[in-house]
Amino acid sequence: DQQVKQNSPSLSVQEGRISILNCDYTNSMFDYFLWYKKYPAEGPTFLISISSIKDKNEDGRFTVFLNKSAKHLSLHIVPSQPGDSAVYFCAASGGRKLSFGAGTTVTVRA
Amino acid sequence: DAGVIQSPRHEVTEMGQEVTLRCKPISGHDYLFWYRQTMMRGLELLIYFNNNVPIDDSGMPEDRFSAKMPNASFSTLKIQPSEPRDSAVYFCASSEPGTAFLQFFGSGTQLSVL
Repeated sequence: DQQVKQNSPSLSVQEGRISILNCDYTNSMFDYFLWYKKYPAEGPTFLISISSIKDKNEDGRFTVFLNKSAKHLSLHIVPSQPGDSAVYFCAASGGRKLSFGAGTTVTVRA
Repeated sequence: DAGVIQSPRHEVTEMGQEVTLRCKPISGHDYLFWYRQTMMRGLELLIYFNNNVPIDDSGMPEDRFSAKMPNASFSTLKIQPSEPRDSAVYFCASSEPGTAFLQFFGSGTQLSVL
């Protein structure tokens, strides 16, 4: 069963605009949520995280929002840059294990 | 730090052969995770270790798969015998004490079983 879902397989955005990536989860026991970024032929790289007791975390151009009642989180990238073109994975932590979404491929157009 | 190091980067083998994937975690990290990424199943956890001890191997698909961690700086994932459906990218990740949820990944091993 897939506990973490990213329903949009791809997103195309113009350089300088906002990218919004969405993620839904089913397990209310998850205590941390993370976003990873992955380039081709590389491993996932940690981007930003949020604790389940918070509703927002910001790091430079990246902001993650958590809506626990809706079991939904989102990643905002502002402004989007060409180097942001990658696959983004949402992940949720239950104890020591991470459950990953299927990923969203972001393409930033010049 | 050099990060998590995996070898080989690519492995091509024939069905029935034994395959061994290797991983060196980040120094000081006490958790080590093995993942497999496929188009159909995405990124799935196979097994993880804490202080060299296997904690949860519920994701290991079959008895053909085995993993060991003889010391804090080395782990192997072995497939014997290999099958074409084992073709995937295998990732190793590690995390430091107290932050097991924050995992750092290696570059992966692309395995092709013909």
